[in-house]
Amino acid sequence: EAGVTQFPSHSVIEKGQTVTLRCDPISGHDNLYWYRRVMGKEIKFLLHFVKESKQDESGMPNNRFLAERTGGTYSTLKVQPAELEDSGVYFCASSQNRGGNSPLHFGNGTRLTVT
Amino acid sequence: DAKTTQPTSMDCAEGRAANLPCNHSTISGNEYVYWYRQIHSQGPQYIIHGLKNNETNEMASLIITEDRKSSTLILPHATLRDTAVYYCIVSSINTNAGKSTFGDGTTLTVKP
Repeated sequence: EAGVTQFPSHSVIEKGQTVTLRCDPISGHDNLYWYRRVMGKEIKFLLHFVKESKQDESGMPNNRFLAERTGGTYSTLKVQPAELEDSGVYFCASSQNRGGNSPLHFGNGTRLTVT
Repeated sequence: DAKTTQPTSMDCAEGRAANLPCNHSTISGNEYVYWYRQIHSQGPQYIIHGLKNNETNEMASLIITEDRKSSTLILPHATLRDTAVYYCIVSSINTNAGKSTFGDGTTLTVKP
């Protein structure tokens, strides 16, 4: 099966610009998660979708971040306007079920650099 | 979810078994132990998970102590490509598995 894919792999933008990251989960996986790792820090949870519904967005840093998953397939994460501290690697993961007996399958991430 | 403690780094000789320990002394009865690894510039990769019993798959073996307070990930014949950061995570069957804390993990360096 095809894995989780993320696009773009790298993005360099200026402060104040907008960037949209995309994640295509494994087909049939209803659960989709976004994470990010900023320089020197651990991987942090941002939010969780079940199909097209946001189940938990407690990790979203502020209202400059907007995640969508229209139709319950791929998801986008928009940062508008981007700030310097938004630089980092953004990972997406999907799983078949929500609970603890369902492994997460990660994409290779989008490396975002805000200058 | 229970927290985990792992050594910061470990070395292993190529071809030998790599044994990575994890302490999860506050684990509860419905929490699974998961292992992931992250090879440089890639996303985290699922390795194995278990609840109570030892588990084995094509990548590794997971040994969970009887009291479930610690576990060991075993890579039976480490190769240079196994050099990565290994994360031990506990995740409750009843909660959102995706919210588990990754922590700093163990950096495993496999040496020729």
